[in-house]
Amino acid sequence: QVQLQESGPGLVKPSETLSLTCSVSGGSISSHYCTWIRQPPGKGLEWIGYIYYSGNTNYNPSLKSRVTISLDTTKNQFSLKLKSVTAADTAVYYCATEVGVAKRYWSFDLWGRGTLVTVSS
Amino acid sequence: DIQMTQSPSSLSASVGDRVTITCRTSQTISNYLNWYQHKPGKAPQVLIYAASTLKSGVPSRFSGSGSGTDFTLTISSLQPEDFATYYCQQSYSTPRTFGQGTKVEI
Repeated sequence: QVQLQESGPGLVKPSETLSLTCSVSGGSISSHYCTWIRQPPGKGLEWIGYIYYSGNTNYNPSLKSRVTISLDTTKNQFSLKLKSVTAADTAVYYCATEVGVAKRYWSFDLWGRGTLVTVSS
Repeated sequence: DIQMTQSPSSLSASVGDRVTITCRTSQTISNYLNWYQHKPGKAPQVLIYAASTLKSGVPSRFSGSGSGTDFTLTISSLQPEDFATYYCQQSYSTPRTFGQGTKVEI
């Protein structure tokens, strides 16, 4: 059974770069859209963006200038970097894979449990 | 971006109750609508995709309906394990967007 697990620092200082990794076990991330989603405390879910195994990326315009998502197929991992963070970036960060039925109906089929990242000095 | 308006934000219900959650989108999305269940400390799980298709392994008491801009998730007979937060999400376009969530409580 494929599982996703987020890892990375739980505390990041303002203006620094948030870095998280999603490790995939029990299967390959090939042909999946590897996605990051976050949820600030008390707020809804926000889609950050994805990377496809081909290397194609798509980011939320609201974060595009600060986000980089990368892929390491040899380690079966994908990563998130968010630069110049502020307190508004405090959130639970989830990695997920988006899959399509008949390459048409896309949904987030697998999720990690999430990791809380707090931005504070 | 497509805005998602989900209601109610929370509801109190009892085991055996029929529960209905609605989701409205700011523009038509055909049936590109998913529903998720999220329990604290656990990974969210997709219940329904394409507005009305039950994900394999999801109990049949869950059902979805709607098309265009108005969608509904129904739990026909609430079970103890169904107390959770439910989210709708559109897959019509990027950026993907979610409803604000509905917390189903006892």
